[in-house]
Amino acid sequence: GNSVTQMEGPVTLSEEAFLTINCTYTATGYPSLFWYVQYPGEGLQLLLKATKADDKGSNKGFEATYRKETTSFHLEKGSVQVSDSAVYFCALSDSGNQFYFGTGTSLTVIP
Amino acid sequence: KAGVTQTPRYLIKTRGQQVTLSCSPISGHRSVSWYQQTPGQGLQFLFEYFSETQRNKGNFPGRFSGRQFSNSRSEMNVSTLELGDSALYLCASSLSPGTSAENEQYFGPGTRLTVT
Repeated sequence: GNSVTQMEGPVTLSEEAFLTINCTYTATGYPSLFWYVQYPGEGLQLLLKATKADDKGSNKGFEATYRKETTSFHLEKGSVQVSDSAVYFCALSDSGNQFYFGTGTSLTVIP
Repeated sequence: KAGVTQTPRYLIKTRGQQVTLSCSPISGHRSVSWYQQTPGQGLQFLFEYFSETQRNKGNFPGRFSGRQFSNSRSEMNVSTLELGDSALYLCASSLSPGTSAENEQYFGPGTRLTVT
């Protein structure tokens, strides 16, 4: 079946550090891939997405590239800020538009 | 444009009771999905509705049910509540199938259900 695996947290970084959160997936067919972010007390917000192999999604300095050969969609940011502290979820949607989410990675950025 | 709204935001119920949660999607969105979020299990898909019909269903017992109205608003119901049903219930809306942005989901803030 379809599934998403992302690195466990929590992750703690200093401001301006480089961020990588790993995400790998298992799916049949050609899923779309997403990163969502959840701030405390809020619902999930779409951060970026990629709908086909080699696509790069980007938003607010975050990037992720759809790698079909390694079934990965790792999230990166070159210089994190305190305001990036949140929980990040990797997700895929299959051909039936059903979503599968990873367990989430908590990020804390300290000044 | 107003976002997805969910009511109530917080709810405390007793084991054995039932509960109904409500979700109003973004204007123009006709698909509504429900998720259960817990620290142990993460985000788990409950079901999806489009045009008042259930399109997809996750692996939850029959105590969990939902419906969608003609104005796209959706409700989910949990009967005979158990302690393990304590969770954040999230609703997400998206455009009708067939559009290019079909699979972008927009989430509401959730309803925090506590079962005692």
